[in-house]
Amino acid sequence: SQTIHQWPATLVQPVGSPLSLECTVEGTSNPNLYWYRQAAGRGLQLLFYSVGIGQISSEVPQNLSASRPQDRQFILSSKKLLLSDSGFYLCASISGVRGNTIYFGEGSWLTVV
Amino acid sequence: GESVGLHLPTLSVQEGDNSIINCAYSNSASDYFIWYKQESGKGPQFIIDIRSNMDKRQGQRVTVLLNKTVKHLSLQIAATQPGDSAVYFCAERTNDYKLSFGAGTTVTVRA
Repeated sequence: SQTIHQWPATLVQPVGSPLSLECTVEGTSNPNLYWYRQAAGRGLQLLFYSVGIGQISSEVPQNLSASRPQDRQFILSSKKLLLSDSGFYLCASISGVRGNTIYFGEGSWLTVV
Repeated sequence: GESVGLHLPTLSVQEGDNSIINCAYSNSASDYFIWYKQESGKGPQFIIDIRSNMDKRQGQRVTVLLNKTVKHLSLQIAATQPGDSAVYFCAERTNDYKLSFGAGTTVTVRA
């Protein structure tokens, strides 16, 4: 089975500072990777997904960006954080052309102050 | 107990009763559907999934039903237990591998 490592687990950042959340996947190759954000008491909002190296699909216009420099690495970034970027960020992975099991990372709690 | 779509985000059910959680999905091209459970302070936990070429799938105490005609998905939990209290999300995946989640239904089990 897959293992997803996501870090940092918790961070507090000032408004206007940069952000980098990293996600790496073990136990599979060529996964489909996803970044979600979950605000307090809300559902999972799809931010980005990637079906391969360098391939990024963006779902929501915002000041965040994503990159996939390696097959099993997915990075979420921002040049300047906003207060509204606070939330719980989850990386997820599905493998195989017809993969049917999704694995989640442990999540990263971001508080922008 | 039964919830209807995403307009009733809470469901209260007596312990031992069966629960039905409903979800209306948006894209007729979606080929894969998943139910997740999220307990407070934790990440989503996979419950059960179903492909678009099926209309029913059973797991341990759970059954997922898919009605493609009306784009409706439901999760049935048999003999609901206190440990079933959580937020339940449905998710749909389109054939371009985009995986989108619904808003969630909060299930509270009464002792």
